[in-house]
Amino acid sequence: GNSVTQMEGPVTLSEEAFLTINCTYTATGYPSLFWYVQYPGEGLQLLLKATKADDKGSNKGFEATYRKETTSFHLEKGSVQVSDSAVYFCALKDGDYKLSFGAGTTVTVRA
Amino acid sequence: GEEVAQTPKHLVRGEGQKAKLYCAPIKGHSYVFWYQQVLKNEFKFLISFQNENVFDETGMPKERFSAKCLPNSPCSLEIQATKLEDSAVYFCASSQITGGGGNQPQHFGDGTRLSIL
Repeated sequence: GNSVTQMEGPVTLSEEAFLTINCTYTATGYPSLFWYVQYPGEGLQLLLKATKADDKGSNKGFEATYRKETTSFHLEKGSVQVSDSAVYFCALKDGDYKLSFGAGTTVTVRA
Repeated sequence: GEEVAQTPKHLVRGEGQKAKLYCAPIKGHSYVFWYQQVLKNEFKFLISFQNENVFDETGMPKERFSAKCLPNSPCSLEIQATKLEDSAVYFCASSQITGGGGNQPQHFGDGTRLSIL
């Protein structure tokens, strides 16, 4: 079956630091990959997506590249802000359309 | 509407009572999904609909959980005879499906926090 593994948190950073959250996946087909973000007390928001190998998704300074050879979709941001403090979820969607989520990584950015 | 709307935001029930949650998907979206978020951040898929038809119910605990998406009405998730372990945040999501399927993102509501006392 499908599964997503992402790095355990929590991650604590200073403002303007570089952020990487690792995500690897297992899938039987050719999934689409997503990063969602959950701010405190809110629902999930789509951060970025990639639908095929070597696609790069980007949004709000975040980037992730679909790497089929390493089955990875690592999230990166070059300079984080306090407002980036949230829980980040890596997810995949295969032919049956439901999302399979990683366990979530809590990121705290300190001023 | 432009957003997935879930009601209520919070729901408190005594153990054994019934709980009913509602979801209005984004207008024009054909698929609706229900997820349960428990224990730190873990998401569990429950059920999905294509319009009013059940598409995938492999995650549903069938003994006490049921769901519907009827035309011109919000979708609903109902839990009979609630248990303490049903305490969770329940998220609804909707998506468009075009062409070959799977790559359209799901748009999530803000969730309903269900507390069973």
